[in-house]
Amino acid sequence: AQSVAQPEDQVNVAEGNPLTVKCTYSVSGNPYLFWYVQYPNRGLQFLLKYITGDNLVKGSYGFEAEFNKSQTSFHLKKPSALVSDSALYFCAVRAITGGGNKLTFGTGTQLKVEL
Amino acid sequence: NAGVTQTPKFQVLKTGQSMTLQCAQDMNHEYMSWYRQDPGMGLRLIHYSVGAGITDQGEVPNGYNVSRSTTEDFPLRLLSAAPSQTSVYFCASSSGTQIGGYTFGSGTRLTVV
Repeated sequence: AQSVAQPEDQVNVAEGNPLTVKCTYSVSGNPYLFWYVQYPNRGLQFLLKYITGDNLVKGSYGFEAEFNKSQTSFHLKKPSALVSDSALYFCAVRAITGGGNKLTFGTGTQLKVEL
Repeated sequence: NAGVTQTPKFQVLKTGQSMTLQCAQDMNHEYMSWYRQDPGMGLRLIHYSVGAGITDQGEVPNGYNVSRSTTEDFPLRLLSAAPSQTSVYFCASSSGTQIGGYTFGSGTRLTVV
């Protein structure tokens, strides 16, 4: 079975400061990893994904994520946070082999960026 | 290009009533799925389909039925609504050749009283 843990329900950061949203995963074999963002009363929007190759993945809106196989982590980062980044962020994992295209999501982390 | 369209956006049901949540996509995606979102629990997979005529159960399938007669449509049926099914429901689709890359609908907020 595959699973994702997002240990922080909420992350608060001041605008202009760097932000990190944490994610760890468990899957048999190698993973595909994803980050999605959800704004209030909206569906989820794809941010970025790790499939293979460079461990640092760059995505939409200046976000990036670092894949760390030894720590089974895929933390989301941004060098300088904006108030408009405030939203709910979901990490998701899919096993490379088996399971079709099923994604398993974490419980989400609410990011609040304050002036 | 509408993407993934869900209807209705809001619904209130009485316990024991049945209803169908509609989901349609116009991207010719093979893969479609239904998730429910509950506070503190993230998104949980209810049912999914890898193509027309093929469906399978996800993590929380009890109380829900699906069918996939066309590539475009993937309706979710609540057979006898229960208060535990109060949730926000999301439909998502993706190409069979894409890894992840789900497109989500805007959701249906369902309240069962």
